[in-house]
Amino acid sequence: ELKVEQNPLFLSMQEGKNYTIYCNYSTTSDRLYWYRQDPGKSLESLFVLLSNGAVKQEGRLMASLDTKARLSTLHITAAVHDLSATYFCAVSVGDMRFGAGTRLTVKP
Amino acid sequence: EAGVVQSPRYKIIEKKQPVAFWCNPISGHNTLYWYLQNLGQGPELLIRYENEEAVDDSQLPKDRFSAERLKGVDSTLKIQPAELGDSAVYLCASSSRGLRAFFGQGTRLTVV
Repeated sequence: ELKVEQNPLFLSMQEGKNYTIYCNYSTTSDRLYWYRQDPGKSLESLFVLLSNGAVKQEGRLMASLDTKARLSTLHITAAVHDLSATYFCAVSVGDMRFGAGTRLTVKP
Repeated sequence: EAGVVQSPRYKIIEKKQPVAFWCNPISGHNTLYWYLQNLGQGPELLIRYENEEAVDDSQLPKDRFSAERLKGVDSTLKIQPAELGDSAVYLCASSSRGLRAFFGQGTRLTVV
């Protein structure tokens, strides 16, 4: 059974700092997704990573995928308060299965 | 382009009553998902459709949950009878050829 593990589950960081969220998964897959969810809202697609070594960047967020290590990272550069949200990774093996999420709080 | 539309947004029912949720996916999206999300947790897959065919419903509690996707477009998810533990947000998502999935706003179900 596919398992998707994220860490950390909770992250509190100061504005201007850098940090990385990790997503490990247990089954071979070449499709990985990152989503953002604000409180009380639905999920917003951030990145789709389709191959080993794929790197996508948008604004202060950069996602990468290592299919051999079964690992994806979401790197946050110079965090700002607006990035406060819960971030989910999801892995596709036919179905799309989600991790538990990383709740990010960016403090001034 | 219209997004994924779900209704109702909120539903409060008494336990043992039936309830139904409706989802209209993005036009042309052949893949449709139903997820359940409990507070503070990630979405859990209930069922995935490819066009009108349910290709994975292994996580759907079939004793009380049912789903259908008529003509490969709209979908309904039904619970009968509802239990207290069914209180959650039910999310519908759609995608084209397994690529980026777009989510609806969800239906927040409260069973009392």
